[in-house]
Amino acid sequence: GEDVEQSLFLSVREGDSSVINCTYTDSSSTYLYWYKQEPGAGLQLLTYIFSNMDMKQDQRLTVLLNKKDKHLSLRIADTQTGDSAIYFCAERTSGTYKYIFGTGTRLKVLA
Amino acid sequence: SQTIHQWPATLVQPVGSPLSLECTVEGTSNPNLYWYRQAAGRGLQLLFYSVGIGQISSEVPQNLSASRPQDRQFILSSKKLLLSDSGFYLCACRTGRTEAFFGQGTRLTVV
Repeated sequence: GEDVEQSLFLSVREGDSSVINCTYTDSSSTYLYWYKQEPGAGLQLLTYIFSNMDMKQDQRLTVLLNKKDKHLSLRIADTQTGDSAIYFCAERTSGTYKYIFGTGTRLKVLA
Repeated sequence: SQTIHQWPATLVQPVGSPLSLECTVEGTSNPNLYWYRQAAGRGLQLLFYSVGIGQISSEVPQNLSASRPQDRQFILSSKKLLLSDSGFYLCACRTGRTEAFFGQGTRLTVV
């Protein structure tokens, strides 16, 4: 079945780049997502990529997809204290309705 | 614009009491609706999803049930709460034009 895995914690210094990693198991045509959750709030969609793409960039965010290894990463350039949050990776097989989420990575940005 | 309303924001209930959490969506029709639970260290677990009125798919056997009495209303219920039902419950919506977006969540504590 589908499974999405992430490391639980990441700590970086303000101004550095953050790289959050995710692995997934679905081998079908897949959408892959990154969501951000601030304390006590719902999830906010940051960006997503389809499995026929290798990279997507949106301002400070860069998503890289290694289809062979089923590895997805989110790079945040010039990380700010406001980026401190939990980041969730998720997948959805094309043509289906289910979003499968990882455990989330808690990013802590040190001033 | 599309919005999700979830209430209440927080809830403290005794073991054995019933539960009803409500989620309503505005600004769209015929959405896919989802209930997720977030427990500490366990990421986001899909509980139920619905593609239409009266259509409910259950993802995990549990003490909870869901209903969709109207197109834009999704209700999560329990007849008798367990301690293990504590968690952060999130409603999400997906439409033909948007990927999944989330409500602000309900923090349930069963005591």
